[in-house]
Amino acid sequence: SQQGEEDPQALSIQEGENATMNCSYKTSINNLQWYRQNSGRGLVHLILIRSNEREKHSGRLRVTLDTSKKSSSLLITASRAADTASYFCATVHGGSNYKLTFGKGTLLTVNP
Amino acid sequence: SQTIHQWPATLVQPVGSPLSLECTVEGTSNPNLYWYRQAAGRGLQLLFYSVGIGQISSEVPQNLSASRPQDRQFILSSKKLLLSDSGFYLCAFVAGTSGGLYNEQFFGPGTRLTVL
Repeated sequence: SQQGEEDPQALSIQEGENATMNCSYKTSINNLQWYRQNSGRGLVHLILIRSNEREKHSGRLRVTLDTSKKSSSLLITASRAADTASYFCATVHGGSNYKLTFGKGTLLTVNP
Repeated sequence: SQTIHQWPATLVQPVGSPLSLECTVEGTSNPNLYWYRQAAGRGLQLLFYSVGIGQISSEVPQNLSASRPQDRQFILSSKKLLLSDSGFYLCAFVAGTSGGLYNEQFFGPGTRLTVL
């Protein structure tokens, strides 16, 4: 089954605004990871949040996890044009050999 | 520090030709290794993963195969490419530790394959 469904599929904001992207999944997880992908490039690891954690921060990034709703959100504060990229969440399930299951991603465009 | 390399960066191949993509990891021992494919405008689909030398698990039936001849080397191959094999191929690893594995999965720069 498809896990890690992100929404919105596309988001366009102005520089300086905050961007929020959401991710939902269907079955219980071990951890959830967020990645950024610039056009035509590899994936950059942003944050990992474990199933027993509710919130994590890294610089301008804030990730929350609600296991009761099977959802996560990624907040980018004070966005910059350089934040323009696709953002993916990926889930890891117990006993899965750390395999990641990806959604289709959110394309974020930050306009200068 | 841990690094991951993939080559080539881009590849254009005719239908029916063979394929060999290579991935190597540095700075860790006993990593888990993964091959993903990304179709245009889509998320990533896991193709193969390996938990040790010579150990390969396939996630989807397909025209491709994988091998792990050394601890930090992962190879994706095909004997005869199909048009549908076009895509962006990404190798990834989860680093090993003395007691097991870390959780974060890190990706290489990818290979863009076009089959004509």
